[in-house]
Amino acid sequence: KAGVTQTPRYLIKTRGQQVTLSCSPISGHRSVSWYQQTPGQGLQFLFEYFSETQRNKGNFPGRFSGRQFSNSRSEMNVSTLELGDSALYLCASSRGQGDYGYTFGSGTRLTVV
Amino acid sequence: TQLLEQSPQFLSIQEGENLTVYCNSSSVFSSLQWYRQEPGEGPVLLVTVVTGGEVKKLKRLTFQFGDARKDSSLHITAAQPGDTGLYLCAGGSNYQLIWGAGTKLIIKP
Repeated sequence: KAGVTQTPRYLIKTRGQQVTLSCSPISGHRSVSWYQQTPGQGLQFLFEYFSETQRNKGNFPGRFSGRQFSNSRSEMNVSTLELGDSALYLCASSRGQGDYGYTFGSGTRLTVV
Repeated sequence: TQLLEQSPQFLSIQEGENLTVYCNSSSVFSSLQWYRQEPGEGPVLLVTVVTGGEVKKLKRLTFQFGDARKDSSLHITAAQPGDTGLYLCAGGSNYQLIWGAGTKLIIKP
């Protein structure tokens, strides 16, 4: 079966711009979580959606937002990009609470210049 | 605040040696998951343990969940260069995962 698909794979944006990243979960998985990964901070939880509802949110500013569609696909948006937003953004899906493990996509590498 | 501390942070050993990575917390978790991540890719789930004292084996990798469900260990026997990567543990609690900072493992041929 197809894995978690994230697009685009690489992205270069200028400070102040906004960006939208996409994630298609494994078929049948209703939970989608987003993470930011940087060398200095490790994996940082952004938010989690389940059946189109945001179920949990990490400690990120309001410039970071997301949504989930009825087909479980999810998008995250970052507005007014800052240099510090450069990171690998990872999406992970699971059937329910994720207690039995998540499947991650390959990520979107965002570089802000 | 729930925290998961992984140790060591970095480990570089020769092929054929054995090693153990630890994941410790003062909190109780409903599950403990181990992932391996290679550069530029997302983490890949290796195993999930849910019962205190549980031991799971995956070829040369042995995972153990502490009796009190607060800690876990990953033991690799006869490490190979293909085991190189970032090993992450994550504890399941209330609809979210608490992540360790990871152990960067390098196996030299």
